[in-house]
Amino acid sequence: SQKIEQNSEALNIQEGKTATLTCNYTNYSPAYLQWYRQDPGRGPVFLLLIRENEKEKRKERLKVTFDTTLKQSLFHITASQPADSATYLCALARRDDKIIFGKGTRLHILP
Amino acid sequence: DGGITQSPKYLFRKEGQNVTLSCEQNLNHDAMYWYRQDPGQGLRLIYYSQIVNDFQKGDIAEGYSVSREKKESFPLTVTSAQKNPTAFYLCASLDATNEKLFFGSGTQLSVL
Repeated sequence: SQKIEQNSEALNIQEGKTATLTCNYTNYSPAYLQWYRQDPGRGPVFLLLIRENEKEKRKERLKVTFDTTLKQSLFHITASQPADSATYLCALARRDDKIIFGKGTRLHILP
Repeated sequence: DGGITQSPKYLFRKEGQNVTLSCEQNLNHDAMYWYRQDPGQGLRLIYYSQIVNDFQKGDIAEGYSVSREKKESFPLTVTSAQKNPTAFYLCASLDATNEKLFFGSGTQLSVL
């Protein structure tokens, strides 16, 4: 069955540095990959989507890369701020199919 | 305001009881999803519906049931067969054009 792994349960990064989160998957060929942010007790909020034929996407301080050969996506937050502290979830889907999530990475930006 | 509304925010279930979680959306989205989240865990798919009057089992459907009689509504029933129902339940609808999920604010279900 398909499996999604996010590299670490928790990540501590100094304010101002770049935070890099990893999402790996197996037994799956997604049409696209998404990243969501979730704050405690709240529903996830969509951040970025990258399609299988795209290598990189940017939005303000966020950057996502997608390597379908390595079956891996990297999610970068540059110039990180304490307000970026949250859990970040990776999700995969094929077109017109279910969307499945990884376990998430808790990111702590230290002032 | 457009969005997804889940109710109640907190729900308590007694032994042997069925409970129903409500999910309503006014975004005119065709597809809707139910996920379960345990502490420190990601989202696991319970059921999803891509169109009215149709739904499919997700990865952990046992002990749950759903209906999709209206486009706006996708209620989830947690039956007495679900022996470990304590979790945070999230409903979402899919913006198919932009391929992104919109989530409700969740329902925390606990067992008395």
